[in-house]
Amino acid sequence: EAGVAQSPRYKIIEKRQSVAFWCNPISGHATLYWYQQILGQGPKLLIQFQNNGVVDDSQLPKDRFSAERLKGVDSTLKIQPAKLEDSAVYLCASSRSFDEQYFGPGTRLTVT
Amino acid sequence: GQQVMQIPQYQHVQEGEDFTTYCNSSTTLSNIQWYKQRPGGHPVFLIQLVKSGEVKKQKRLTFQFGEAKKNSSLHITATQTTDVGTYFCAGRGGSYIPTFGRGTSLIVHP
Repeated sequence: EAGVAQSPRYKIIEKRQSVAFWCNPISGHATLYWYQQILGQGPKLLIQFQNNGVVDDSQLPKDRFSAERLKGVDSTLKIQPAKLEDSAVYLCASSRSFDEQYFGPGTRLTVT
Repeated sequence: GQQVMQIPQYQHVQEGEDFTTYCNSSTTLSNIQWYKQRPGGHPVFLIQLVKSGEVKKQKRLTFQFGEAKKNSSLHITATQTTDVGTYFCAGRGGSYIPTFGRGTSLIVHP
């Protein structure tokens, strides 16, 4: 079966610009996650969707980050405006329910 | 909120030595998962533990879930260079929201 797809793989932007990431989960997986992973740290959950509803977004900086999952499949994560501290790898993962997560390759974001 | 602590942060071993990483949660967990992330890669699922006191083995890897479902460990017997990477635990509480530990980076010297 195809894995979790993410794009772009790399992105370099200047601070105060906006950026969007796309994720296509494994077919049939109801749960989708967006994580932020800063170098040397564990993945930090930003938002968790169950189908197209939000399960948790308590760690999403809502003044600048937004995410949506249309029709319970693909998802986009947007940052507007970006700050230097947003430089990180953004990982998307999916799971059938609340079980093992399958991660995509991630998007490495550099904010200059 | 739920916190998951993982120690040690780094572990250097000679090839053939054993390795253990420990994970402790501030709250009782519904389940705990372990992932491995190679340098430059993404986390890859290893195993999930659900029951109190559960022990599971995968070849040279042994995973344990504590009786109180608040701690877990991963033990690797006779490490190999292919074991290099960062090992993360991820615990889910009653709301099934996952919290990752900081990870333990394993460095194996040949």
